[in-house]
Amino acid sequence: KQEVTQIPAALSVPEGENLVLNCSFTDSAIYNLQWFRQDPGKGLTSLLLIQSSQREQTSGRLNASLDKSSGRSTLYIAASQPGDSATYLCAVRFSGGYQKVTFGTGTKLQVIP
Amino acid sequence: NAGVTQTPKFRVLKTGQSMTLLCAQDMNHEYMYWYRQDPGMGLRLIHYSVGEGTTAKGEVPDGYNVSRLKKQNFLLGLESAAPSQTSVYFCASINRGLGYTGELFFGEGSRLTVL
Repeated sequence: KQEVTQIPAALSVPEGENLVLNCSFTDSAIYNLQWFRQDPGKGLTSLLLIQSSQREQTSGRLNASLDKSSGRSTLYIAASQPGDSATYLCAVRFSGGYQKVTFGTGTKLQVIP
Repeated sequence: NAGVTQTPKFRVLKTGQSMTLLCAQDMNHEYMYWYRQDPGMGLRLIHYSVGEGTTAKGEVPDGYNVSRLKKQNFLLGLESAAPSQTSVYFCASINRGLGYTGELFFGEGSRLTVL
């Protein structure tokens, strides 16, 4: 079964710290991987999309990496701010069932001022 | 562009009532999806569609029906609502045309409570 796992489920860090969020997936044959942010009671905002041929993508203070062989992606957040507090979700489109996107259960991040 | 729009945003139903959630996208996307999000369970795929006139079951299709009569619209129906269907429902779409990136776009969600 193709699964996506995000550990830890929750993370609390002091403001200004650099941090890494993890996403693991069980099958290395993927089309792409997408990171989302979700604020409480809100929808999902796309942060970064990495195609299977790419190793990383960057947007501002965010950097996402992809290692298909080990089935891992990381989302690096530099100089964290209280406004970064949210739940971060990883979504993987596996090859073969390319119509479907599988989500992890997310990491809830709290940045403490 | 409005992107992906869901209506209604909030709804309260009584057990046994029926309702339809509407998802509309103005990006000419081929694929559309309905997910439900429950605490501790992440997003689970209910039904999806790969084009006008086609639909398919996802992980948790029981109790729901869908229709894609027009490319831009994807409807999710509950024929006889149950308390277990209390959830937040999200619609999403992906393009498949020229310049296709496979990026998933989401609506803002529809919060449904079944009493």
